[in-house]
Amino acid sequence: GAVVSQHPSWVICKSGTSVKIECRSLDFQATTMFWYRQFPKQSLMLMATSNEGSKATYEQGVEKDKFLINHASLTLSTLTVTSAHPEDSSFYICSARDTGLAGGHYEQYFGPGTRLTVT
Amino acid sequence: ILNVEQSPQSLHVQEGDSTNFTCSFPSSNFYALHWYRWETAKSPEALFVMTLNGDEKKKGRISATLNTKEGYSYLYIKGSQPEDSATYLCAFPSGGSNYKLTFGKGTLLTVNP
Repeated sequence: GAVVSQHPSWVICKSGTSVKIECRSLDFQATTMFWYRQFPKQSLMLMATSNEGSKATYEQGVEKDKFLINHASLTLSTLTVTSAHPEDSSFYICSARDTGLAGGHYEQYFGPGTRLTVT
Repeated sequence: ILNVEQSPQSLHVQEGDSTNFTCSFPSSNFYALHWYRWETAKSPEALFVMTLNGDEKKKGRISATLNTKEGYSYLYIKGSQPEDSATYLCAFPSGGSNYKLTFGKGTLLTVNP
């Protein structure tokens, strides 16, 4: 159980175009999903928290107009990188929190990530 | 900004060796510590959630200990196997009800057959 899929697994796009990445919880409902980015030799850095039915909460320094997040259902969140530039090339990974788990120690289940290359 | 440090950055061991690595985190306002195992091209997999000082958790040949007073956790692997090769991540939660995780850079373990 607790499987999260992410699509696509890799994408190459031209500078100035937009790219959409999907994150799905396959066997559980997730009110809250998270989007992370990882640059080479760096840690996973939280970009934003995606809440179903409401606006995402962005971390400091992350442009909300550039990284559009939509969490329209309990099993799907999307991240759209708008007007992508080469510096947006990175590894993007999502996680989903299981709404059904009891207790205060929330586990996050991760997708396999998306490698974005902007040329 | 929370400081979560992992050491060493990478480690090469021979099959059958036992090994351990460290995660250090802020000792104030401790709530929990998460360990993940991340194999290449796969999703990070949750290993342990450590919550109490002195906690020790075990999953097969992998175990973890926790010292909240001094702000560190050790992950031990007994009798390493090639399939243990992965990056091991620790993460420290904050952010109240949103429970946001701050990750260390990970320890890359390579087990040579």
